[in-house]
Amino acid sequence: AQKITQTQPGMFVQEKEAVTLDCTYDTSDPSYGLFWYKQPSSGEMIFLIYQGSYDQQNATEGRYSLNFQKARKSANLVISASQLGDSAMYFCAMRERSGGYQKVTFGTGTKLQVIP
Amino acid sequence: SQTIHQWPATLVQPVGSPLSLECTVEGTSNPNLYWYRQAAGRGLQLLFYSVGIGQISSEVPQNLSASRPQDRQFILSSKKLLLSDSGFYLCAWRRTTGGKGSEQFFGPGTRLTVL
Repeated sequence: AQKITQTQPGMFVQEKEAVTLDCTYDTSDPSYGLFWYKQPSSGEMIFLIYQGSYDQQNATEGRYSLNFQKARKSANLVISASQLGDSAMYFCAMRERSGGYQKVTFGTGTKLQVIP
Repeated sequence: SQTIHQWPATLVQPVGSPLSLECTVEGTSNPNLYWYRQAAGRGLQLLFYSVGIGQISSEVPQNLSASRPQDRQFILSSKKLLLSDSGFYLCAWRRTTGGKGSEQFFGPGTRLTVL
């Protein structure tokens, strides 16, 4: 079974509009963390936002917010007021305990294109 | 501040040739270190991770190997490259203690093309 599932291979959004990128996860570890990363065409991976499994409130970082629905095992990324520079690949990732160590698993990514 | 370096940035190698990619981290000690591969247009695949010197865990069977000869040095190697080894290789580190969410910090990557 997939640990991290991103069902949207590609998304388009109009500049200044909000967009939601979907992510669902699967783990039996009660203490896990969820991350979103941005990868522009240059290839670098940029950390955006983090949500811990015990965090009561949804994480927010500037224009990024994480819609964490624990019962549904979903951790969708919401980008408000999209900008042209937001065009990139976006990866959802999960950190969990595995064999006594912390392991991070990435989804397959969503390619976001912001339209002027 | 912490930085992570990878080299080379790009590499073109013939099939059957050896490979050595190097990753070093500065400004932190005893980090967890990771090697990922990203095929063109695909997600990241975890290849190896290391929690300490000489401690390597392999996630997938393959013709690649990893070594950690020093605390902040992580090396990805192959004795004979395959065409399927082409991809973008990313090294990452993570604090073993503290840090908000213990996120991974990534290096700039190495783009490997096997011909």
